Amino acid sequence: KNQVEQSPQSLIILEGKNCTLQCNYTVSPFSNLRWYKQDTGRGPVSLTIMTFSENTKSNGRYTATLDADTKQSSLHITASQLSDSASYICVVSKNTDKLIFGTGTRLQVFP
Amino acid sequence: KAGVTQTPRYLIKTRGQQVTLSCSPISGHRSVSWYQQTPGQGLQFLFEYFSETQRNKGNFPGRFSGRQFSNSRSEMNVSTLELGDSALYLCASSLGDRGDEQYFGPGTRLTVT
Repeated sequence: KNQVEQSPQSLIILEGKNCTLQCNYTVSPFSNLRWYKQDTGRGPVSLTIMTFSENTKSNGRYTATLDADTKQSSLHITASQLSDSASYICVVSKNTDKLIFGTGTRLQVFP
Repeated sequence: KAGVTQTPRYLIKTRGQQVTLSCSPISGHRSVSWYQQTPGQGLQFLFEYFSETQRNKGNFPGRFSGRQFSNSRSEMNVSTLELGDSALYLCASSLGDRGDEQYFGPGTRLTVT
């Protein structure tokens, strides 16, 4: 069954700290993996997109990694800011273009 | 370039009614996808339209339907509303080729009472 599982479900950190969000998937055949950030009441915004051959991709303070062998991805946030408070959604695309969404990690950054 | 716009932003309906939601994609984008987002289920794919034709479909009942116009604007219709249809409905547009980035709109918050 094609699934995308994210952990933790929720996370609370202090401003300035780093954190890592996890995404494990069983989707096959794999096309690409995306991380989205969704602020409350808004649509998701793309952070990174990685294909099979890419191991790491950065977007400012956000760094995503992909291990296609173990079917795991992580999103590392460096020096967190209050504006990082949001839900982070991992999305895996099959070769058929079908997107499989994770249920997200809710991150709260406190001052 | 203007982003994806959705109207209305908020909607309250009663059970049994029907509703139509609208999505205007980014200029030049030919693909529009619709998603339902609920706290328990996350984002679930409803359907995708490309050049006025439904190209992909998720696992939703026939009460959920959509269409796309020649200017790529899309509408989604839900008939005979149920309480469980309360959700945030998001649309996303892309150029339309495989792997193209999807850009999401702000969503329509539908509440069914």
